[in-house]
Amino acid sequence: AQSVTQPDIHITVSEGASLELRCNYSYGATPYLFWYVQSPGQGLQLLLKYFSGDTLVQGIKGFEAEFKRSQSSFNLRKPSVHWSDAAEYFCAVGLTGANNLFFGTGTRLTVIP
Amino acid sequence: NAGVTQTPKFQVLKTGQSMTLQCAQDMNHEYMSWYRQDPGMGLRLIHYSVGAGITDQGEVPNGYNVSRSTTEDFPLRLLSAAPSQTSVYFCASSLRSPTSGDTQYFGPGTRLTVL
Repeated sequence: AQSVTQPDIHITVSEGASLELRCNYSYGATPYLFWYVQSPGQGLQLLLKYFSGDTLVQGIKGFEAEFKRSQSSFNLRKPSVHWSDAAEYFCAVGLTGANNLFFGTGTRLTVIP
Repeated sequence: NAGVTQTPKFQVLKTGQSMTLQCAQDMNHEYMSWYRQDPGMGLRLIHYSVGAGITDQGEVPNGYNVSRSTTEDFPLRLLSAAPSQTSVYFCASSLRSPTSGDTQYFGPGTRLTVL
């Protein structure tokens, strides 16, 4: 079955530490890939997206993600986390010719001082 | 501009009641959609529209109706609310389909409780 998997429900990191959030997908073709962030009580905001080309994608707020076709993954990274990064992060997938996105279940990030 | 606005922010209904969740955008976006967010399930698409007069079903359309009479507005109707519809509802819009490369903008959400 087609799916988007975020294996980590909750991650806690110290401020200043590096971060990697995992996302795996299961689709026949290479999909379009997205990362969104949701701050408490807010809607979702697009961090970055991959459609084609360079597999390392830069986004807003210092985030980046790398598409690895062989691993069907699109992991989100940040070299140094700030307290304001505490939020929930969603990976999403879109398929060519489709009109909608499929979202993962999300990873909640807690940042400790 | 205001972006994507949703009203109300909170709503409590009794089983069997009907209501309409409002969504409006002022960015002249053709594509609009409704998602519901439930704990541990991420966001699931309810209905979407690729332009005025055109709507289609998403993953979980049962119990919901939509219409798109103008580019700006995309209301979501619950005809007979059920406790299973307790959720947070998000409206989103983009110039074209999110798989076209256009950024999708989300509203702040409506938290609905059905008793």
